[in-house]
Amino acid sequence: AQSVTQPDIHITVSEGASLELRCNYSYGATPYLFWYVQSPGQGLQLLLKYFSGDTLVQGIKGFEAEFKRSQSSFNLRKPSVHWSDAAEYFCAVGHSGGGADGLTFGKGTHLIIQP
Amino acid sequence: GAVVSQHPSWVICKSGTSVKIECRSLDFQATTMFWYRQFPKQSLMLMATSNEGSKATYEQGVEKDKFLINHASLTLSTLTVTSAHPEDSSFYICSARAVQGLDYAFFGQGTRLTVV
Repeated sequence: AQSVTQPDIHITVSEGASLELRCNYSYGATPYLFWYVQSPGQGLQLLLKYFSGDTLVQGIKGFEAEFKRSQSSFNLRKPSVHWSDAAEYFCAVGHSGGGADGLTFGKGTHLIIQP
Repeated sequence: GAVVSQHPSWVICKSGTSVKIECRSLDFQATTMFWYRQFPKQSLMLMATSNEGSKATYEQGVEKDKFLINHASLTLSTLTVTSAHPEDSSFYICSARAVQGLDYAFFGQGTRLTVV
């Protein structure tokens, strides 16, 4: 069975500082990987996804993530965070582009931005 | 971009009553819709997968008689929580995958259900 681990429940970063959110997955085949952001009481917004090809993927809002097969990781990064980035971030893995089968989510990382 | 709308955004109901939540794809046709449940400060758990015109597939541990899913058209899926109890209080989120085009699903804004 596939699984996703987000080791950090909470992360606090100063505004303007760089950010890295960790994600490790367990999946037998080539994974389809996603990062979503959720604001309080809201649904999910897709930040970026990896299906194949270039292992460094660019997303919206200045986010990027790097797929490292050897480490089973898909960490999310941003060079300089803004106060509006404060939210819950979820990493997810899917079977086939997240389409035919639902996604398996990590437990999420709560990002706090300090002024 | 593709929009998925859930209605209502929040609902409060009395214990023992049933509640229906709608999930609509507004600008695309969705062959497959997914229903997730999210407990406070926790992750999303897939409840079921519904394909238009066929019975939903439920994840292990999800009571299909309690959470009735109907996907009668390519733009609408409904989740009915029957005989709701306080422990059913949760945030329910749907997602929809387009018939053609992008190979991933779009999420609705979620429905907060509170059973009193």
